[in-house]
Amino acid sequence: GNSVTQMEGPVTLSEEAFLTINCTYTATGYPSLFWYVQYPGEGLQLLLKATKADDKGSNKGFEATYRKETTSFHLEKGSVQVSDSAVYFCALSLAGGSYIPTFGRGTSLIVHP
Amino acid sequence: DAGITQSPRHKVTETGTPVTLRCHQTENHRYMYWYRQDPGHGLRLIHYSYGVKDTDKGEVSDGYSVSRSKTEDFLLTLESATSSQTSVYFCAIKAAQGTNEKLFFGSGTQLSVL
Repeated sequence: GNSVTQMEGPVTLSEEAFLTINCTYTATGYPSLFWYVQYPGEGLQLLLKATKADDKGSNKGFEATYRKETTSFHLEKGSVQVSDSAVYFCALSLAGGSYIPTFGRGTSLIVHP
Repeated sequence: DAGITQSPRHKVTETGTPVTLRCHQTENHRYMYWYRQDPGHGLRLIHYSYGVKDTDKGEVSDGYSVSRSKTEDFLLTLESATSSQTSVYFCAIKAAQGTNEKLFFGSGTQLSVL
């Protein structure tokens, strides 16, 4: 089956630190990969995505590269801000048939001033 | 937000009572989903719908039923609420423009079963 594994949190950083949140996946086909972000008290919203190997998704200073050889899609940001404090979810979806995305368990990020 | 509204936003109920949560969309999307979010489990799919009267089970469907009698509304019913169903429930829709597919989520319903 399909699955997504994320590093456990919380991840606690000081403002301006470098962020990496690891994500690896298993899939029966060739998936599209996503990072969603959930700010406190809100629903999830799409942060970035990549649809094929070596594609880099980017948004709001966050980046993730689709690595087929290591089945990974790690999220990075060079300098985090307090406003980046949120829960981050890695996800995958497969084309064809019913669209049923698979989500990781989420990683909480806490950024201190 | 792709025009998604969940109601109610908060609900407190007693064990054994039926509860219905509503998800309403204004943009005529075909796919709609119900998830629950719990600490340590992340997001888990309860049921989903791929059209009017077309629904299917997710990974945690026991104790839940759904109905979709019109495109814009997707209802989640807890037939006899239990304390293990205390959770935050999210509705989502799939929006797509060509191959650019993504999910839009509602703001969630906090349900407490006492």
